[in-house]
Amino acid sequence: EVQLVQSGAEVKKPGESLKISCKASGYSFTSYWIAWVRQMPGKGLEWMGIIYPGDSETRYSPSFQGQVTISADKSTSTAYLQWSGLKASDTAIYYCARHYYDSRGPCDFWGQGTLVTVSS
Amino acid sequence: QSVLTQPPSVSAAPGQKVTISCSGSSSNIGNNYVSWYQQLPGTAPKLLIYDNDKRPSGIPDRFSGSKSGTSATLGIIGLQTGDEADYYCGTWDSSLSGRWVFGGGTKLTVL
Repeated sequence: EVQLVQSGAEVKKPGESLKISCKASGYSFTSYWIAWVRQMPGKGLEWMGIIYPGDSETRYSPSFQGQVTISADKSTSTAYLQWSGLKASDTAIYYCARHYYDSRGPCDFWGQGTLVTVSS
Repeated sequence: QSVLTQPPSVSAAPGQKVTISCSGSSSNIGNNYVSWYQQLPGTAPKLLIYDNDKRPSGIPDRFSGSKSGTSATLGIIGLQTGDEADYYCGTWDSSLSGRWVFGGGTKLTVL
């Protein structure tokens, strides 16, 4: 059974750094692209970028380029999303999702989401 | 402002049928497959339709998808109160060096 299990909710102050995780199981982690998707409070879904764990190739949506870093650890089948200086506007739920068959494919499995709250 | 345009809300009575539209352009819907996602309140999105009109295992045939030109449509028949959710379309967009894009979402109310 394919599962993506994300790390727990975080409360941070502006300017702090953060790294959240998405642990995959039930399939070959290195063979599928993993995406990160943001959902701000009461808003829609925004695709942030993807990583191919097989070779760590990474692509970012222009809106998020330079704002976050996506990485992956093949040894633990875990993808990561990190910030070096959080802003209040980063408050959102972040989902990881697997792209089916290639980077343009649909997101067929989703993590449960990680709520990130940034507040002074 | 989303690249893909969906109506903010639709509503219908239990047992009835509803359609949700998703409008794009040649750089996205016109040349790529469309998928649809259901997000029940407080939960993660779930894939409902992929490759324009295919249903993943476990998705009832009450849900259907179609695409024509630069627009796509999600259809739901035999509406149930449990279908009340937000629905999103999504596809690859070839502009700006390529990225996945979602519609703004449509809130379905089953009256």
